[in-house]
Amino acid sequence: GAVVSQHPSRVICKSGTSVKIECRSLDFQATTMFWYRQFPKKSLMLMATSNEGSKATYEQGVEKDKFLINHASLTLSTLTVTSAHPEDSSFYICSASRGGGLYEQYFGPGTRLTVT
Amino acid sequence: DAKTTQPPSMDCAEGRAANLPCNHSTISGNEYVYWYRQIHSQGPQYIIHGLKNNETNEMASLIITEDRKSSTLILPHATLRDTAVYYCIVRVENNNNDMRFGAGTRLTVKP
Repeated sequence: GAVVSQHPSRVICKSGTSVKIECRSLDFQATTMFWYRQFPKKSLMLMATSNEGSKATYEQGVEKDKFLINHASLTLSTLTVTSAHPEDSSFYICSASRGGGLYEQYFGPGTRLTVT
Repeated sequence: DAKTTQPPSMDCAEGRAANLPCNHSTISGNEYVYWYRQIHSQGPQYIIHGLKNNETNEMASLIITEDRKSSTLILPHATLRDTAVYYCIVRVENNNNDMRFGAGTRLTVKP
């Protein structure tokens, strides 16, 4: 149990286009999901916290208009990178908590975004 | 959340126990100790967590000192597939609390 998936696993897009990344909790409901990004040989950095049915909370320095987050259901959150640029190339990872008194978070396998 | 300190890298021989230390001297009474690992180009994998008692599961054991200022993750019989970056995180248990990752320890298991 507690499986989180991401789609796509890899995506290459041209500069100026938008890319949507999906994060799904496959066998549990997640009221809260988190989005991280990770540059090569660096640790994970939190981008935003997403609560089902409400607006995401962004970390300082993360542009909310550039990284659009939608959490429309208890099993799905999406991250859209708008007007992508090469510096947005990174490894994007989501996580989710099962809730109900269980607080460990489960991470998706990540999405490798390359902007050319 | 309290800050953690881990050695940047460690080596371990295959089949031997891997003991990964973590210092969290400023941990608060309501903060738990979590361990995750990240194998190259994958998402972090939950390993174990605890508050003050030692914990064991099918993957590892977690030993927390009595004063809770440090802990050790033990992989009893390391395999080559255990090569990864291991993160020690302390946090208050709350569904809205994210995991704050430090630099972690890069464990290399050698044949």
